[in-house]
Amino acid sequence: DAKTTQPNSMESNEEEPVHLPCNHSTISGTDYIHWYRQLPSQGPEYVIHGLTSNVNNRMASLAIAEDRKSSTLILHRATLRDAAVYYCIPNTGNQFYFGTGTSLTVIP
Amino acid sequence: SQTIHQWPATLVQPVGSPLSLECTVEGTSNPNLYWYRQAAGRGLQLLFYSVGIGQISSEVPQNLSASRPQDRQFILSSKKLLLSDSGFYLCAWRTGGGYSPLHFGNGTRLTVT
Repeated sequence: DAKTTQPNSMESNEEEPVHLPCNHSTISGTDYIHWYRQLPSQGPEYVIHGLTSNVNNRMASLAIAEDRKSSTLILHRATLRDAAVYYCIPNTGNQFYFGTGTSLTVIP
Repeated sequence: SQTIHQWPATLVQPVGSPLSLECTVEGTSNPNLYWYRQAAGRGLQLLFYSVGIGQISSEVPQNLSASRPQDRQFILSSKKLLLSDSGFYLCAWRTGGGYSPLHFGNGTRLTVT
């Protein structure tokens, strides 16, 4: 399983963009890169996933490095509701292993 | 649309008592099913996953077990709870056989006293 490295915590001002980085240098060629977030006292919520190309959905954008050894989750305009722990998970098989993630604080 | 149900939402059980947590998924067939546990202030630990009826893969040896008696039903059990079993238990599903994401239930907060 690919190991991931994420900052323990980040801060952002409300309504500004947020770039959450993830290093996954041991990723395999078939691993999709998944991002989830967990709000306090809730189960994780799927955010976005991709393989090689950059991906966009209504929640966020995912920028994947050309060598796939890192990726960045982009929240275009942070809101107070985006305050959560964000997890990056490279995945191919049936198992999903969550690391410690990045705790995002959004400052009003 | 697909939905996942987990119950109960909260549970307080004495040490040594049995446990049964149930999870059901609606609106899909042959999902992969998962049980995770999150101890207070800690990360999510994968406990069990299942790719089909009666097929259970255990990730961590402990006094918990899982069963999948029906396609969309996943049960987490224990014969005798320990204090260390306290935590937030989460069930999740994904479409089997692809690269689809996980979808989580609302979880059960278990306190063993």
